[in-house]
Amino acid sequence: EVQLVESGGGLVQPGGSLRLSCAASGFTFSSYWMHWVRQAPGKGLVWVSRINSDGSSTSYADSVKGRFTISRDNAKNTLHLQMNSLRAEDTAVYYCARDTVTYYFDSWGQGTLVTVSS
Amino acid sequence: QSALTQPASVSGSPGQSITISCTGTSSDVGGYNYVSWYQQHPGKAPKLMIYEVSNRPSGVSNRFSGSKSGNTASLTISGLQAEDEADYYCSSYTSSSTLEWVFGGGTKLTVL
Repeated sequence: EVQLVESGGGLVQPGGSLRLSCAASGFTFSSYWMHWVRQAPGKGLVWVSRINSDGSSTSYADSVKGRFTISRDNAKNTLHLQMNSLRAEDTAVYYCARDTVTYYFDSWGQGTLVTVSS
Repeated sequence: QSALTQPASVSGSPGQSITISCTGTSSDVGGYNYVSWYQQHPGKAPKLMIYEVSNRPSGVSNRFSGSKSGNTASLTISGLQAEDEADYYCSSYTSSSTLEWVFGGGTKLTVL
């Protein structure tokens, strides 16, 4: 069974940093692209970032470019999102999602809440 | 890059059919057959319902179907059931310079 489990969320002050992790199991992690998608409280889904299967290619939404860094450790079946210079508008539940390299998200984690507030 | 346009809400009675539209541009919905649909119940993670415009993943009821015409994709749910009440989001790959994937704003489906 495919499982994605996010961790690392919490309360952080504006300008602070946080590192999210997503532990994958039940599939060959190194064969899949992975994404981060976020959802502000009461709002819709917003794509944040993508990394290809071997980590050699990444992409970001303009809203986080230069502040967030996606990475992966295929030996540990783990996806990361390093978030720096956090803003109030980054407050959201962050989901990791699997991509079969056919441009859709076929499995999602349960999400981890990031709250940016003083 | 704006989100894809979906109606904020739709409703229907049990047994009826409803359709949710998702309007984009030639840079996303109209340019690629990479439209997908997700169901999200309150407090839960999204679930893939339709991929590549009209394909259903294993385990998804055949009451759910997808289609596309030009820059507008549609999700149709037939034989509405109480458990279909949820938020639904469309998504598309995009050639925008500002992001690679775009979601719709979401549609709240109410089963009356």
